[in-house]
Amino acid sequence: DTGVSQDPRHKITKRGQNVTFRCDPISEHNRLYWYRQTLGQGPEFLTYFQNEAQLEKSRLLSDRFSAERPKGSFSTLEIQRTEQGDSAMYLCASSFGHPGETQYFGPGTRLLVL
Amino acid sequence: KQEVTQIPAALSVPEGENLVLNCSFTDSAIYNLQWFRQDPGKGLTSLLLIQSSQREQTSGRLNASLDKSSGRSTLYIAASQPGDSATYLCAVSGTGGSYIPTFGRGTSLIVHP
Repeated sequence: DTGVSQDPRHKITKRGQNVTFRCDPISEHNRLYWYRQTLGQGPEFLTYFQNEAQLEKSRLLSDRFSAERPKGSFSTLEIQRTEQGDSAMYLCASSFGHPGETQYFGPGTRLLVL
Repeated sequence: KQEVTQIPAALSVPEGENLVLNCSFTDSAIYNLQWFRQDPGKGLTSLLLIQSSQREQTSGRLNASLDKSSGRSTLYIAASQPGDSATYLCAVSGTGGSYIPTFGRGTSLIVHP
């Protein structure tokens, strides 16, 4: 068990470009979560999967954002037509069992939009 | 809507001090409360999880208490060390039937030698 991994760890892009992030959860964890965190703030929930089903999406997840978890294992988060306001740390977490159980977080992907 | 507040926002103490971090939440109908640690530029590490039916949890030099009726939790760190320097985040879940955690902004702790 190597924990939750995220790739890339850092991404610099120009405004208007598309970016995609990947998250590999702890194996056999059926729940996977995406959060966004800006400087000085706590993580804000974006979306949540149980297996391959996307069960909940935040209002923060505009139509430029899309997330998938095609086989119930890894997940991708894509941001289209990036804006400077998208600059943030994007965190992934996974859990198993009851939805209220502890979530295990990955190291995050730091996005900077120029 | 659940709101989580952490006080103080920042704290600087000399090594060896005992310290208390505070967390308050507006809706007492929670399923659990967690304390996390976050090192600069890194992800979160769960420290302690308190179920709504529990009053406190302990792990090593850390002790977290929960008073659900008053909407408060405290994280007590005994004999602080420089390695404790990090941001400590409080999160509550279970409000309105959703188990998605709501996080506070955190307390940034520096323990200097």
